[in-house]
Amino acid sequence: DAEITQSPRHKITETGRQVTLACHQTWNHNNMFWYRQDLGHGLRLIHYSYGVQDTNKGEVSDGYSVSRSNTEDLPLTLESAASSQTSVYFCASSEHRGDSGYFGPGTRLLVL
Amino acid sequence: AQSVAQPEDQVNVAEGNPLTVKCTYSVSGNPYLFWYVQYPNRGLQFLLKYITGDNLVKGSYGFEAEFNKSQTSFHLKKPSALVSDSALYFCAVRDMSNYGQNFVFGPGTRLSVLP
Repeated sequence: DAEITQSPRHKITETGRQVTLACHQTWNHNNMFWYRQDLGHGLRLIHYSYGVQDTNKGEVSDGYSVSRSNTEDLPLTLESAASSQTSVYFCASSEHRGDSGYFGPGTRLLVL
Repeated sequence: AQSVAQPEDQVNVAEGNPLTVKCTYSVSGNPYLFWYVQYPNRGLQFLLKYITGDNLVKGSYGFEAEFNKSQTSFHLKKPSALVSDSALYFCAVRDMSNYGQNFVFGPGTRLSVLP
Protein backbone atom coordinates (compact mmCIF):
# COMPACT_ATOMS: atom_id res chain seq x y z
CA ASP A 1 0.00 0.00 0.00
CA ALA A 2 1.10 3.57 -0.68
CA GLU A 3 2.20 5.55 2.34
CA ILE A 4 4.01 8.60 3.63
CA THR A 5 6.76 8.14 6.19
CA GLN A 6 8.93 10.44 8.26
CA SER A 7 12.24 9.84 9.96
CA PRO A 8 13.40 10.10 12.59
CA ARG A 9 10.26 10.04 14.71
CA HIS A 10 12.07 11.68 17.61
CA LYS A 11 15.19 13.82 17.57
CA ILE A 12 17.13 15.71 20.21
CA THR A 13 19.77 18.15 19.07
CA GLU A 14 21.71 21.14 20.29
CA THR A 15 21.39 24.75 19.23
CA GLY A 16 23.51 25.61 16.22
CA ARG A 17 23.57 22.11 14.76
CA GLN A 18 22.25 21.31 11.32
CA VAL A 19 19.36 18.85 11.33
CA THR A 20 17.61 17.13 8.43
CA LEU A 21 14.17 15.56 8.72
CA ALA A 22 13.21 13.07 6.06
CA CYS A 23 9.85 12.69 4.33
CA HIS A 24 9.14 9.92 1.83
CA GLN A 25 5.87 9.21 0.02
CA THR A 26 4.97 6.43 -2.33
CA TRP A 27 1.73 7.97 -3.64
CA ASN A 28 3.63 9.52 -6.53
CA HIS A 29 2.10 12.88 -5.61
CA ASN A 30 3.56 16.03 -7.11
CA ASN A 31 2.61 18.26 -4.17
CA MET A 32 4.45 17.94 -0.88
CA PHE A 33 4.35 20.12 2.22
CA TRP A 34 6.08 20.60 5.54
CA TYR A 35 4.20 21.91 8.56
CA ARG A 36 5.09 22.52 12.16
CA GLN A 37 2.59 22.06 14.97
CA ASP A 38 2.73 24.21 18.07
CA LEU A 39 0.21 24.56 20.85
CA GLY A 40 -2.35 27.23 20.07
CA HIS A 41 -1.22 27.64 16.47
CA GLY A 42 -2.44 24.53 14.77
CA LEU A 43 -0.28 23.56 11.83
CA ARG A 44 1.71 26.25 10.03
CA LEU A 45 3.26 25.84 6.62
CA ILE A 46 7.05 25.89 6.41
CA HIS A 47 7.83 24.98 2.78
CA TYR A 48 6.09 23.28 -0.09
CA SER A 49 6.88 21.82 -3.48
CA TYR A 50 4.80 21.26 -6.60
CA GLY A 51 7.25 18.92 -8.24
CA VAL A 52 10.87 17.98 -8.84
CA GLN A 53 13.22 20.97 -8.57
CA ASP A 54 10.36 23.18 -7.35
CA THR A 55 10.42 24.60 -3.80
CA ASN A 56 8.54 27.49 -2.22
CA LYS A 57 8.50 29.28 1.10
CA GLY A 58 5.55 29.09 3.42
CA GLU A 59 4.36 31.14 6.34
CA VAL A 60 7.21 30.24 8.74
CA SER A 61 10.15 29.43 6.47
CA ASP A 62 12.95 31.35 8.23
CA GLY A 63 15.70 28.98 9.35
CA TYR A 64 14.47 26.10 7.19
CA SER A 65 15.23 24.85 3.70
CA VAL A 66 14.01 22.04 1.47
CA SER A 67 15.14 20.38 -1.74
CA ARG A 68 13.22 18.22 -4.21
CA SER A 69 15.44 15.99 -6.31
CA ASN A 70 12.78 13.33 -6.96
CA THR A 71 9.04 12.88 -6.64
CA GLU A 72 9.14 10.73 -3.51
CA ASP A 73 11.25 12.81 -1.10
CA LEU A 74 11.17 16.28 0.44
CA PRO A 75 13.80 16.56 3.18
CA LEU A 76 13.56 19.49 5.57
CA THR A 77 16.82 21.02 6.82
CA LEU A 78 17.26 23.25 9.81
CA GLU A 79 20.42 25.11 8.93
CA SER A 80 21.33 26.08 12.50
CA ALA A 81 18.85 24.73 14.99
CA ALA A 82 17.34 27.14 17.50
CA SER A 83 15.27 26.44 20.62
CA SER A 84 12.32 28.15 18.92
CA GLN A 85 12.33 25.31 16.41
CA THR A 86 11.40 22.78 19.06
CA SER A 87 8.15 21.47 17.64
CA VAL A 88 6.38 18.58 16.00
CA TYR A 89 6.91 18.49 12.26
CA PHE A 90 4.49 16.97 9.78
CA CYS A 91 5.01 16.19 6.16
CA ALA A 92 2.06 15.89 3.78
CA SER A 93 1.43 15.10 0.15
CA SER A 94 -1.50 15.55 -2.18
CA GLU A 95 -2.31 15.19 -5.84
CA HIS A 96 -4.77 18.01 -6.43
CA ARG A 97 -6.49 20.78 -4.53
CA GLY A 98 -9.71 18.90 -3.93
CA ASP A 99 -8.19 15.91 -2.22
CA SER A 100 -7.69 15.52 1.49
CA GLY A 101 -4.00 14.88 1.31
CA TYR A 102 -2.01 12.40 3.34
CA PHE A 103 -0.06 13.30 6.46
CA GLY A 104 2.96 11.58 7.84
CA PRO A 105 3.14 10.42 11.48
CA GLY A 106 5.23 13.40 12.55
CA THR A 107 8.73 14.05 13.89
CA ARG A 108 9.09 15.39 17.39
CA LEU A 109 12.16 17.65 17.54
CA LEU A 110 13.72 19.01 20.72
CA VAL A 111 16.43 21.64 20.43
CA LEU A 112 18.41 22.10 23.63
CA ALA B 1 -5.60 35.84 3.07
CA GLN B 2 -7.46 32.72 4.01
CA SER B 3 -7.94 31.93 7.66
CA VAL B 4 -9.72 29.46 9.89
CA ALA B 5 -11.02 30.01 13.40
CA GLN B 6 -11.99 27.43 15.95
CA PRO B 7 -13.48 29.50 18.77
CA GLU B 8 -13.32 26.79 21.42
CA ASP B 9 -10.03 25.44 22.72
CA GLN B 10 -11.83 22.67 24.55
CA VAL B 11 -15.21 20.98 24.22
CA ASN B 12 -16.51 18.61 26.87
CA VAL B 13 -19.47 16.36 26.25
CA ALA B 14 -20.98 13.34 27.98
CA GLU B 15 -20.90 10.01 26.20
CA GLY B 16 -24.08 9.44 24.22
CA ASN B 17 -24.81 13.15 23.86
CA PRO B 18 -24.51 14.99 20.56
CA LEU B 19 -21.33 16.91 19.95
CA THR B 20 -20.47 19.99 17.93
CA VAL B 21 -17.03 21.38 17.19
CA LYS B 22 -17.19 24.81 15.64
CA CYS B 23 -15.27 26.21 12.70
CA THR B 24 -15.53 29.45 10.80
CA TYR B 25 -13.46 30.44 7.83
CA SER B 26 -12.48 33.36 5.67
CA VAL B 27 -11.63 32.88 2.01
CA SER B 28 -11.67 35.05 -1.06
CA GLY B 29 -13.32 32.53 -3.34
CA ASN B 30 -15.14 29.24 -2.98
CA PRO B 31 -13.78 27.27 -0.05
CA TYR B 32 -12.51 23.74 0.05
CA LEU B 33 -13.07 22.74 3.69
CA PHE B 34 -11.74 19.81 5.64
CA TRP B 35 -11.86 18.25 9.09
CA TYR B 36 -9.04 16.19 10.54
CA VAL B 37 -8.61 14.36 13.83
CA GLN B 38 -5.38 13.81 15.71
CA TYR B 39 -4.96 11.20 18.42
CA PRO B 40 -2.07 11.49 20.88
CA ASN B 41 1.34 11.05 19.28
CA ARG B 42 -0.22 10.39 15.90
CA GLY B 43 -0.51 12.19 12.60
CA LEU B 44 -3.64 13.75 11.19
CA GLN B 45 -6.45 11.56 9.99
CA PHE B 46 -8.94 12.83 7.43
CA LEU B 47 -12.58 12.86 8.54
CA LEU B 48 -14.52 14.64 5.82
CA LYS B 49 -14.48 17.45 3.30
CA TYR B 50 -16.70 19.88 1.49
CA ILE B 51 -15.85 20.84 -2.06
CA THR B 52 -19.21 21.45 -3.67
CA GLY B 53 -22.74 20.07 -3.66
CA ASP B 54 -24.85 19.08 -0.66
CA ASN B 55 -24.20 21.30 2.35
CA LEU B 56 -24.37 18.34 4.74
CA VAL B 57 -21.29 16.20 4.40
CA LYS B 58 -20.95 12.77 5.98
CA GLY B 59 -17.59 11.35 6.87
CA SER B 60 -15.73 8.72 8.82
CA TYR B 61 -16.68 7.33 12.25
CA GLY B 62 -20.20 8.77 12.13
CA PHE B 63 -19.10 12.40 11.87
CA GLU B 64 -20.81 14.93 9.68
CA ALA B 65 -20.41 18.63 8.99
CA GLU B 66 -22.66 21.33 7.66
CA PHE B 67 -21.41 23.95 5.28
CA ASN B 68 -23.13 27.30 5.81
CA LYS B 69 -22.03 29.85 3.27
CA SER B 70 -23.89 32.82 4.76
CA GLN B 71 -22.35 32.23 8.18
CA THR B 72 -19.01 31.08 6.72
CA SER B 73 -19.10 28.10 9.02
CA PHE B 74 -18.32 24.41 8.76
CA HIS B 75 -19.21 22.89 12.12
CA LEU B 76 -18.38 19.27 12.87
CA LYS B 77 -21.13 17.20 14.45
CA LYS B 78 -21.90 13.74 15.70
CA PRO B 79 -25.29 12.60 17.01
CA SER B 80 -23.93 10.42 19.81
CA ALA B 81 -20.43 10.89 21.19
CA LEU B 82 -18.13 8.05 22.17
CA VAL B 83 -15.29 8.15 24.68
CA SER B 84 -13.03 7.06 21.84
CA ASP B 85 -13.86 10.31 20.01
CA SER B 86 -11.72 12.18 22.53
CA ALA B 87 -8.95 13.78 20.48
CA LEU B 88 -7.73 17.01 18.91
CA TYR B 89 -9.77 18.22 15.94
CA PHE B 90 -8.58 20.54 13.22
CA CYS B 91 -10.59 22.43 10.65
CA ALA B 92 -8.73 23.40 7.49
CA VAL B 93 -9.35 25.33 4.30
CA ARG B 94 -7.53 24.79 1.07
CA ASP B 95 -5.71 27.98 0.25
CA MET B 96 -5.41 28.72 -3.44
CA SER B 97 -3.84 32.14 -3.07
CA ASN B 98 -0.69 32.88 -1.11
CA TYR B 99 0.59 29.37 -0.66
CA GLY B 100 -0.76 27.50 -3.60
CA GLN B 101 -2.52 24.29 -2.83
CA ASN B 102 -1.62 24.03 0.81
CA PHE B 103 -3.98 23.72 3.75
CA VAL B 104 -4.57 26.54 6.22
CA PHE B 105 -5.43 25.10 9.61
CA GLY B 106 -7.34 26.35 12.59
CA PRO B 107 -5.68 26.19 16.01
CA GLY B 108 -7.47 23.00 16.94
CA THR B 109 -10.18 22.04 19.44
CA ARG B 110 -9.64 19.39 22.06
CA LEU B 111 -12.70 17.21 22.47
CA SER B 112 -13.17 15.30 25.70
CA VAL B 113 -15.99 12.81 25.89
CA LEU B 114 -16.73 11.89 29.46
CA PRO B 115 -18.07 8.44 30.37
